[in-house]
Amino acid sequence: DQQVKQNSPSLSVQEGRISILNCDYTNSMFDYFLWYKKYPAEGPTFLISISSIKDKNEDGRFTVFLNKSAKHLSLHIVPSQPGDSAVYFCAASSGNYGGATNKLIFGTGTLLAVQP
Amino acid sequence: NAGVMQNPRHLVRRRGQEARLRCSPMKGHSHVYWYRQLPEEGLKFMVYLQKENIIDESGMPKERFSAEFPKEGPSILRIQQVVRGDSAAYFCASSPPGGSVTQYFGPGTRLTVL
Repeated sequence: DQQVKQNSPSLSVQEGRISILNCDYTNSMFDYFLWYKKYPAEGPTFLISISSIKDKNEDGRFTVFLNKSAKHLSLHIVPSQPGDSAVYFCAASSGNYGGATNKLIFGTGTLLAVQP
Repeated sequence: NAGVMQNPRHLVRRRGQEARLRCSPMKGHSHVYWYRQLPEEGLKFMVYLQKENIIDESGMPKERFSAEFPKEGPSILRIQQVVRGDSAAYFCASSPPGGSVTQYFGPGTRLTVL
């Protein structure tokens, strides 16, 4: 049972344009969501997160939007740069408010290619 | 401020041997998590440890796999009698005390079982 889904395996965007990566989840107990970026042969790098009490969080070129009623979140990157080319993973947790575990449930990733 | 460290980065074992993967969390972090990434898949949670305690091992296979995080030294993920299906990238992550959800990952250990 895939609780966190990234339905687009890949996305290609022109440099300078906006990249929008999408993520859906099924478990209503999730209360914290994170985006990680991963290059080949490296570990995931934390990008940005959002708590379920918010619907938007922004950090520089990265903005995450959360729509709880639709159980959907998205990551916007603007402007996109060639160095942003990587696999992006969405992750969710139900441990934000003192849960017993903070384990992360990951999606399968979206490969972003930013064309110069 | 060193990040999460894992060693070895690459490990080759023959079927039936033991694999030991080590993880040193970021300075000041007392929570350690292990994840496994099989080819073409996302990361799957295995186990969550605090110093000398296993908090959640719901993702660990029931046999051959064990993990520890001793009072002194790195966290160890041990796989006994490895099989080809254990070939994967194993990532360790850490977080600070106080219940932070954000986890910071190491570079991973790529295990190949011949």
